[in-house]
Amino acid sequence: RKEVEQDPGPFNVPEGATVAFNCTYSNSASQSFFWYRQDCRKEPKLLMSVYSSGNEDGRFTAQLNRASQYISLLIRDSKLSDSATYLCVAAGNKLTFGGGTRVLVKP
Amino acid sequence: DTEVTQTPKHLVMGMTNKKSLKCEQHMGHRAMYWYKQKAKKPPELMFVYSYEKLSINESVPSRFSPECPNSSLLNLHLHALQPEDSALYLCASSQGQGQVTYGYTFGSGTRLTVV
Repeated sequence: RKEVEQDPGPFNVPEGATVAFNCTYSNSASQSFFWYRQDCRKEPKLLMSVYSSGNEDGRFTAQLNRASQYISLLIRDSKLSDSATYLCVAAGNKLTFGGGTRVLVKP
Repeated sequence: DTEVTQTPKHLVMGMTNKKSLKCEQHMGHRAMYWYKQKAKKPPELMFVYSYEKLSINESVPSRFSPECPNSSLLNLHLHALQPEDSALYLCASSQGQGQVTYGYTFGSGTRLTVV
């Protein structure tokens, strides 16, 4: 079993719609969690940290459920520019990446 | 300065060549990392340096040799690579190993092709 697992997608999302996807992790000792965004042939860029209390950054909402060991990301009012691969990351003394969820926002 | 700078951006090398990838950060981060990313796969950790000392080597073949000359610089020396080593090589840094409150900052990567 992979340490961090994600649905690879793609999630085909109409522009303006809401999309949500999860990530599960197996290492209960993981301390911090993040969502990274990666565009084709570019480096991963930090989208947001994930906290148990849930956190929101504009159209993006992230949630951590330690009891069930999953992390979620919700994107509201999807824009064409949101099309990317979203990488779920668990951090301890190193970052462990999920395989990524591909999101395609279409007009 | 919140950037991690990697050079070169692109590199084509033969299997008998020796080349080096360079990474530099001036954010005062004390942990630096090398990741390898193949197409449509997530980044895979290769090495971690903490306070200029090698902390983690993820069983990387010896044809990859990391070096940390000082707290701002990280090199990856390449020798006798194979075509399957072709990938995007990413450097990253963080405040400290295990201190990842603010995540890692990644460089834009070196796209390596071995011919």
